[in-house]
Amino acid sequence: NTVMTQSPTSMFISVGDRVTMNCKASQNVGTNVDWYQQKTGQSPKLLIYGASNRYTGVPDRFTGSGSGTDFTLTISNMQAEDLAVYYCLQYNYNPWTFGGGTKLELK
Amino acid sequence: QVQLKESGPGLVQPSETLSLTCTVSGFSLTSYSVSWVRQPSGKGPEWMGRMWYDGDTAYNSALKSRLSISRDTSKNQVFLKMNSLQTDDTGTYYCTRERYSGGLDWGQGTLVTVSS
Repeated sequence: NTVMTQSPTSMFISVGDRVTMNCKASQNVGTNVDWYQQKTGQSPKLLIYGASNRYTGVPDRFTGSGSGTDFTLTISNMQAEDLAVYYCLQYNYNPWTFGGGTKLELK
Repeated sequence: QVQLKESGPGLVQPSETLSLTCTVSGFSLTSYSVSWVRQPSGKGPEWMGRMWYDGDTAYNSALKSRLSISRDTSKNQVFLKMNSLQTDDTGTYYCTRERYSGGLDWGQGTLVTVSS
């Protein structure tokens, strides 16, 4: 199976910070990667699909990049409502596999 | 408006069979594929399997021997059955719609606890 390794597992941030989190695939997945945001008690919500395409309604402070094995999600100007756990998902190979998540917490 | 809603028993005995229903609205099961995804508390999600739009199925090999996914298009429902449940099957179970352009739309999820 394709292992998706997210780093860091948690980050302590302040409002206004630029936040960068990473997802590394154990094999080449092209650009077949999504990013999801999950707030406490809620289901995951799509942010980015196809590695770099922002989903409808997602603020432009969220940017996805990467291809092959290395992917990045950047939040350019962190807001309080962005506190959540973020997951990457590869859908290039079956079974689809998720990363373990990056949790954003306030300093 | 696309909606997916999971339903089923909240508590299942060890070694028993889990049966869940995903009721969808706002789209047709003959046009979109639906996947089941589960998530243990505090952990990342796990893709379980898929009902393709054409009625075919695909399963995660780790679960294939225990898992069955079916559908009733007349009722807009997709079903999950998984047997021989153990405590590590405890978690929230989601059904998701696979968008044509990429990405998943998620239901609200249903919590399943495996305990005697």
